[in-house]
Amino acid sequence: EAGVAQSPRYKIIEKRQSVAFWCNPISGHATLYWYQQILGQGPKLLIQFQNNGVVDDSQLPKDRFSAERLKGVDSTLKIQPAKLEDSAVYLCASRRSGTGELFFGEGSRLTVL
Amino acid sequence: GQQVMQIPQYQHVQEGEDFTTYCNSSTTLSNIQWYKQRPGGHPVFLIQLVKSGEVKKQKRLTFQFGEAKKNSSLHITATQTTDVGTYFCADAGGTSYGKLTFGQGTILTVHP
Repeated sequence: EAGVAQSPRYKIIEKRQSVAFWCNPISGHATLYWYQQILGQGPKLLIQFQNNGVVDDSQLPKDRFSAERLKGVDSTLKIQPAKLEDSAVYLCASRRSGTGELFFGEGSRLTVL
Repeated sequence: GQQVMQIPQYQHVQEGEDFTTYCNSSTTLSNIQWYKQRPGGHPVFLIQLVKSGEVKKQKRLTFQFGEAKKNSSLHITATQTTDVGTYFCADAGGTSYGKLTFGQGTILTVHP
């Protein structure tokens, strides 16, 4: 079974630029999550999708972050404009309905200069 | 999800020593999960605890869920260098398996 795929693995941008991250969850997993992990901290949930609907985006900074999962499969997370404090690893995870385990991708490491 | 606090933040042990990390909540947890993240890696699921007082074992790892479901612990017996990493507990937010809220993690270093 293929795991959660994320790209790009690394991205360096200057503040005020934009960036987009892509995630393809494990096939058949209805729930998809985007987490932000700042160095030395635990992952923080940004947004949770159930199929193509948003379940929880209470911690998503909506003035600059957006995410979509139009067809209920892969997802894109965008940051525009980026700030220095957005430097972090952006982790995508997916979960099969009826189970608790989250499967994480390798993450996309963002550095904002 | 509820806020979970983990202690200690760091733990350095000699290979062969035991290690324990604790996860505490001020309110009752529905269920709790544990994850391990190797340096430079991504979190990997270890286990989920659901029942009050539950104890589960995976080889040298023992997981406990408190009787009041407000705390949990992970104990590693006779640590090995392969145990190095950050161990996170996460509040799984109820049987609907919604939002997963992570603690800040315990960083384990094992000296050979």
